[in-house]
Amino acid sequence: EAGVAQSPRYKIIEKRQSVAFWCNPISGHATLYWYQQILGQGPKLLIQFQNNGVVDDSQLPKDRFSAERLKGVDSTLKIQPAKLEDSAVYLCASSSGTGIGEQFFGPGTRLTVL
Amino acid sequence: ELKVEQNPLFLSMQEGKNYTIYCNYSTTSDRLYWYRQDPGKSLESLFVLLSNGAVKQEGRLMASLDTKARLSTLHITAAVHDLSATYFCAVPTNSGYALNFGKGTSLLVTP
Repeated sequence: EAGVAQSPRYKIIEKRQSVAFWCNPISGHATLYWYQQILGQGPKLLIQFQNNGVVDDSQLPKDRFSAERLKGVDSTLKIQPAKLEDSAVYLCASSSGTGIGEQFFGPGTRLTVL
Repeated sequence: ELKVEQNPLFLSMQEGKNYTIYCNYSTTSDRLYWYRQDPGKSLESLFVLLSNGAVKQEGRLMASLDTKARLSTLHITAAVHDLSATYFCAVPTNSGYALNFGKGTSLLVTP
């Protein structure tokens, strides 16, 4: 079974530029999460989707971050404009949305903002 | 606000020794997750603890959950170098399955 796919794996941009990350969850997983992991810290939830609807985006900085999951499968996370403090690893995870709620994480996208 | 606290945050231990990592959380939860992260890698699920008194073991690692004390432990038995990694515990948020993570325990096992 294929795992969670993310791209790109690495991205370097200058502050005030825009960037987008892509995630393809495990097939059949209804729930998709985006987490931000700053160096030396645990992941922090940015947004949770159930199918193509948003369940929780309370910690998403909506003035600069946006995310969508239009067809209930792939998802895109965008930052516009980026700030220095956005340098982090952006992790996508998926779960079936039922049962034990175990989440499976993708390899992440490491973003460096200069 | 749900808080998840791990201690210690850094742990250096010799091969063959035993040690325990603690995870405390601030609100009621009937489940807790442990993940492992190797440097530069993503998170790998280790254990899913689903009820009070749950105990799970995999190799040299054993995890337990006490929901009344809001405490989980990850016990390492006879550590080996391959266990060197960062270990995170996580508790579901109030909205459902999204997770609140601790800061992680960085474990280094030395000869």
